[in-house]
Amino acid sequence: SAVISQKPSRDICQRGTSLTIQCQVDSQVTMMFWYRQQPGQSLTLIATANQGSEATYESGFVIDKFPISRPNLTFSTLTVSNMSPEDSSIYLCSVDTLGSWFFGPGTRLTVL
Amino acid sequence: QQQVKQSPQSLIVQKGGIPIINCAYENTAFDYFPWYQQFPGKGPALLIAIRPDVSEKKEGRFTISFNKSAKQFSLHIMDSQPGDSATYFCAASYEGGSEKLVFGKGTKLTVNP
Repeated sequence: SAVISQKPSRDICQRGTSLTIQCQVDSQVTMMFWYRQQPGQSLTLIATANQGSEATYESGFVIDKFPISRPNLTFSTLTVSNMSPEDSSIYLCSVDTLGSWFFGPGTRLTVL
Repeated sequence: QQQVKQSPQSLIVQKGGIPIINCAYENTAFDYFPWYQQFPGKGPALLIAIRPDVSEKKEGRFTISFNKSAKQFSLHIMDSQPGDSATYFCAASYEGGSEKLVFGKGTKLTVNP
């Protein structure tokens, strides 16, 4: 299994500001995934982050809104830019280890 | 387009009952079918997973049944306990390409004492 930590665990932000979420894994992984879970909803993939290359975004998500960094094989960041109340969600980091997917504890974001 | 359909949306059982959650998929290329358990305020935790080369897998009180021809799989929880009350998500993925995980919409399970 993989142990994944995220920072911050929660935050309350003002409209128009940006928040960067950090994800740290206890082992080296090729791909890291960022998901969004809106209140009471399922998980939706935002993007896939490979070390050393540009992130791949899913339909409906764009780099200007959700820039991602992947500086090494154990760390990634997701920035939620120019936030609006519709961005209030739980943001989850995930990794694929030996064919099994594991998730971090999530970052609960509230935008006022 | 939802690639994994999950039902029911919510489920209430008595302690000791056997809740069953069902999922159906469309993409025959899927070859990995995990179930996740999520408690409020927590990230999803991998519960059990199956690949299409077997029809059933058991881990403790949790069993996955898999029907490849019907493109369906289900989660059974034996001797359910109030501590099993959580939201359960089925998912599917396939290697080759992005390897991304596609989720069902979730089932909120309540186990009454």
